[in-house]
Parts: sequence; C-alpha cells; structure tokens
Amino acid sequence: EVQLVQSGAEVKKPGESLKISCKGSGYSFSSSWIGWVRQMPGKGLEWMGIIYPGDSDTTYSPSFQGQVTISADKSISTAYLQWSSLKASDSAMYYCAKRSFTSNWFDPWGQGTLVTVSS
Amino acid sequence: QSALTQPPSASGSPGQSVTISCTGTSSDVGGYNHVSWYQQHPGKAPKVMIYEVSKRPSGVPDRFSGSKSGNTASLTVSRLQAEDETDYYCSSYAGSNNWVFGGGTKLTVL
Repeated sequence: EVQLVQSGAEVKKPGESLKISCKGSGYSFSSSWIGWVRQMPGKGLEWMGIIYPGDSDTTYSPSFQGQVTISADKSISTAYLQWSSLKASDSAMYYCAKRSFTSNWFDPWGQGTLVTVSS
Repeated sequence: QSALTQPPSASGSPGQSVTISCTGTSSDVGGYNHVSWYQQHPGKAPKVMIYEVSKRPSGVPDRFSGSKSGNTASLTVSRLQAEDETDYYCSSYAGSNNWVFGGGTKLTVL
C-alpha cells in the first residue's frame, strides 16, 4: 500500500525553528514528486511547493518562496518542510502529497501535521 | 498565481445532481487538461475524486464526473447521497511545476 505518514502536531513560539516530516512507503520514494499544501484554520488549500527526492529538484510557489524550505532524504524515504523563524500566521495544517507518476494530480496524501505558533 | 474561483457553497436534495464550477485562466485551467478535484471531510486529508478533468480513480463512485470548457472546469455529483456532504476543492496544473487550488465549495445535501 502506498502511504505517506507525517510527523506529529507541534506547538512552537514565534521565532522558533521547526522541521516537519513526511515518510513514504510502498513505492519508489526517489522516483515520485512530493508536494506540500497548507490549510489555515477554516480555510482552503494552498499550494506551497514540490520536490523530487531523487535529485532534490525543488519548486516553490511564489507565495512561499523564501518563507519555507523543502528538502528530502531519499535514503530514509522522507521529505521535509522547515521554517527558520516561525510566525503566528504559520499556524495551520500542513499536508504532503505524492504526485502521480504519470500526471499532475496527487494521491495519496499524508494525514497532515498541525502546527500551532503561539506565545 | 491567483486561486481558482469556486462558489463557496452548493446544495441539492438526495437523489438530485449538483454541479460545482471552478474558474481559472488560460495559464492554468484553460491551458492544461490537468484539472483535479479533491473531497475533504472535516478533520481528514483531501482525497482525489477526479483527475485529468474527467477521469475517476479506482474506487470513486461513477456518480462523480468532471468536465471542462475553456477556463472553467466543473464537478458534477449525481444521485446525491448524505455522505457527499462535505468540502470540495479543484486544482489545476499551472505550468513550471506549479499548481493552484480553488477556494473550496461546501456541498450541502438538503
């Protein structure tokens, strides 16, 4: 079964750093793009960016460029999303999702990681 | 890129059909046959219902169908059931390894 399992919920203070993870299994992790999506409380889905674990080729949405860093470690089949200095406005649910091998849609999705930033 | 435009809400009675629209531009919806639709129940991760405008992944009921005309894509849910009541999001490839989502539509089964 193809599966993405994300790290657990985080509670952080403004200014702190954070790295959340997304571990893939049941397929060739290196050979499939992984995307990241933000969902703020009560709001819609927002595209953040995508990475190809095989060579770490990464594209960011213009809205998130410079705000986050997407990375991957293919040796442990894990993708990451990190912040160097969190803001309260980063509080949201974050999902990773696997791009189809052959087309531009995403399945499956991870279960989501809730990030809460509060002083 | 700007979010795709969806109506905030849609509704229909059990057994009826409802269509949700998703309007973009020639740079996304109109430029690629890579529109997908996701269903999201409260507290759950999104689940793909339609990909490449009108294709259904295995396991998705044939009550769900998709289409596109110009810069507007549509999701139609036929023979509405109570379990269909939730949020739906469209998404389109926008070129250069970027994607864009719609703002979401809350479907109510009356």
